[in-house]
Amino acid sequence: KAGVTQTPRYLIKTRGQQVTLSCSPISGHRSVSWYQQTPGQGLQFLFEYFSETQRNKGNFPGRFSGRQFSNSRSEMNVSTLELGDSALYLCASRSGKSGANVLTFGAGSRLTVL
Amino acid sequence: SQELEQSPQSLIVQEGKNLTINCTSSKTLYGLYWYKQKYGEGLIFLMMLQKGGEEKSHEKITAKLDEKKQQSSLHITASQPSHAGIYLCGADKTTGTASKLTFGTGTRLQVTL
Repeated sequence: KAGVTQTPRYLIKTRGQQVTLSCSPISGHRSVSWYQQTPGQGLQFLFEYFSETQRNKGNFPGRFSGRQFSNSRSEMNVSTLELGDSALYLCASRSGKSGANVLTFGAGSRLTVL
Repeated sequence: SQELEQSPQSLIVQEGKNLTINCTSSKTLYGLYWYKQKYGEGLIFLMMLQKGGEEKSHEKITAKLDEKKQQSSLHITASQPSHAGIYLCGADKTTGTASKLTFGTGTRLQVTL
């Protein structure tokens, strides 16, 4: 069973640009969550999507957005990049079924903003 | 917002020694998750605890959740170099569905030969 796949693994952008990150969840998983990890703030929740609907949102500015497609694949977008957006962005999926509450994480997308 | 305090922040132990990592919350936890992370990589799920007093073990790692469901510990017996990494506790503070987890700051473990 394939795990959570994130692309790209590494990318470099400059301030002001935008970036789109992709996440393919485990087959059959309907929930996809995104987290940002930085040395200063640690691991922080961005948002969760379930069946193409955003169900939860963390405390991040509107520059951070996401969406989920009918096949459960998800993308997150960061517009007008700032230096502070440099981070490891982690995607996680879970089945969403009652009692199945374990998040499985992908390897992450490391974004560097210059 | 609920904070999770992890201690110690870092730990260096000699191979074969036992160690304990703690995770403390000021509020009752609906679910407590332990993950391990190799530097710059994704998180690997270790264990989930939901009931007060619950204890789970896998290989040489044991995790416990206290009766009040506000503190958890992760104990590694006879540590090995493969145990090195960053250990993170994550808590579900509302629904028990892992819909939105709050994570501790992590404990960096080094195992020396």
